[in-house]
Amino acid sequence: DGGITQSPKYLFRKEGQNVTLSCEQNLNHDAMYWYRQDPGQGLRLIYYSQIVNDFQKGDIAEGYSVSREKKESFPLTVTSAQKNPTAFYLCASSRTGDIGYGYTFGSGTRLTVV
Amino acid sequence: GENVEQHPSTLSVQEGDSAVIKCTYSDSASNYFPWYKQELGKRPQLIIDIRSNVGEKKDQRIAVTLNKTAKHFSLHITETQPEDSAVYFCAAFYGNNRLAFGKGNQVVVIP
Repeated sequence: DGGITQSPKYLFRKEGQNVTLSCEQNLNHDAMYWYRQDPGQGLRLIYYSQIVNDFQKGDIAEGYSVSREKKESFPLTVTSAQKNPTAFYLCASSRTGDIGYGYTFGSGTRLTVV
Repeated sequence: GENVEQHPSTLSVQEGDSAVIKCTYSDSASNYFPWYKQELGKRPQLIIDIRSNVGEKKDQRIAVTLNKTAKHFSLHITETQPEDSAVYFCAAFYGNNRLAFGKGNQVVVIP
């Protein structure tokens, strides 16, 4: 999907489980982002990373964790501490620079708690 | 941080009419303003963008205008078609490679 791939497309989590969402890009972008989208809602930033081995919390980081060991990959773990994880999760990437660049989004992962 | 607001939240237009969505931003240092279209259940896609040194940009039936003094920018869709029905997000770049997104507008084109 436009150089950024999210998997799986659908994911079901049992109560108390940790699950990991995959995000891989081949666009050679330095920055990567995770957003959460609830029905009829906008995009809320969970975590972002501007460079390998570095990442920052976004507006709703509680209950989530990330790693950025490779430029191409930015996996998101939804931990059992996230009490309401059912949502549509979007990963994005972008070039970096002071002039500003648009994001390329992946096709999303729909997570449901069962 | 940057705050971006979109109006109206829902817009219904007759097929063939024009649609206009307006966004306001708070940080006068913002210099890049993209617009995204998101169809139901799909990913947001960049449809047009504008930088702060330009007042207007067009791409076929869509255009974006920017008023830096008033700190607002607008998306214009002419000759609307059913496939234009979607949620549209505006955004503003405010540093640290981050975009601040508006909450989105649902555009419904009535055949």
